[in-house]
Order: sequence, then structure tokens, then C-alpha cells
Amino acid sequence: DGGITQSPKYLFRKEGQNVTLSCEQNLNHDAMYWYRQDPGQGLRLIYYSQIVNDFQKGDIAEGYSVSREKKESFPLTVTSAQKNPTAFYLCASSGNRVGAFFGQGTRLTVV
Amino acid sequence: GENVEQHPSTLSVQEGDSAVIKCTYSDSASNYFPWYKQELGKGPQLIIDIRSNVGEKKDQRIAVTLNKTAKHFSLHITETQPEDSAVYFCAASKGGGGSNYKLTFGKGTLLTVNP
Repeated sequence: DGGITQSPKYLFRKEGQNVTLSCEQNLNHDAMYWYRQDPGQGLRLIYYSQIVNDFQKGDIAEGYSVSREKKESFPLTVTSAQKNPTAFYLCASSGNRVGAFFGQGTRLTVV
Repeated sequence: GENVEQHPSTLSVQEGDSAVIKCTYSDSASNYFPWYKQELGKGPQLIIDIRSNVGEKKDQRIAVTLNKTAKHFSLHITETQPEDSAVYFCAASKGGGGSNYKLTFGKGTLLTVNP
């Protein structure tokens, strides 16, 4: 089955820790995105990548980092510099003339 | 940058009635407008989209209309069913072609369909 896989589904982070969220797609899409969703809010763009080895900051990039070493993978690291990391994180990908499709999300909680 | 406003924030209808959700956007260069349905605890699912070269698109019980002059677009769901209950998001993008679909989202509408 083609699709976008995010892991883990739930993640707990202690104060001061960095954590990495995984996103893999087998849709052969060039572009990938990370969004953050807070309760009652829309989705806000953290980072996006249009091609391997290139990525751009979105609207709320502070405290986050990404890499795009492979077309299929776009991991997101939530660093200790992110002061309010508890949220639902969504990864998406898009292809030529095909809209953006989302994974099932990772819920991150700071404990 | 782009700003997308979505109304209403909550909508309750009786099964079989129609539901309409409206969005406005600020950037006249936006040319691609998708709608997503999100069920609790899951990722958003693309349900319909429209590009700026058309004014209306329909897929079974779902339709989307676009008014480029007024910079607004709407989602219409007819003959609503309880399984239509979810949060619906509109979005706008200047992509519309190629692979770049950097989206700006509205804040969502919680639709409840009462049996």
C-alpha cells in the first residue's frame, strides 16, 4: 500500500530532551512537510522540503530541525529550545499536480 | 503571507440536511484550494480540491465553489449522514502545479450531524 507512515504514534519527552519524529512516504512525492496542530487550532507549517538535501523554514520553525537525506524520509527533531512542544505533529507529502496527503500523526507530550 | 479565515467554527445539522462551510483568503496569487476532513486522533484526509481555473467542482454529495474576485470558497455537503461528523479544514496554496503545495489552513469547523 502506498502512503505516509509516521512513528511513533505517541511520544513522551522529558524536559530538556531532544526527540525525533519519523516520517516515511512511498508515494514517490518530491515535496514533504511538517505541521503542528494544537487543540482547536488549524495546522501551522514548521518546515518543508521540495527536494532532497533542501528544506525551508515555515511559520513556526524555532526550536525544530529537519533533514532530507532521502526522498522517502523527512524526520523532525523537536529540540530542548522548543518551549511548548506538546502538540499533535503531522507530516505530509505532495507530488506533481497531486495535492498534499497526510500521515496519521504523532502526539508528543512533555512529562 | 497568506491568511485563511474559516466560518463557522462549529456547525450542527440534522441528518439529511445540507451543511455549508465558508473560507476567505487574502493572497490573490493563491490558486489551489483543498478541503480536508479530520476525525478524532487521525490525520487530515483530502476530500475535494479546486484549482483557480474552475468555479465549481462536485464529487457525489460534496461540492466546492470558488469566487476568485471575492477571494472566497465554500464546501457544500448535501444529504448529511452521521459519519460526516468531523472537523473540516479549508486551505489555500500558491502551488496548484508541480510538487509544491505549501498550504495555509483555516482553523477548522466542527461539524456534528445529529441522527
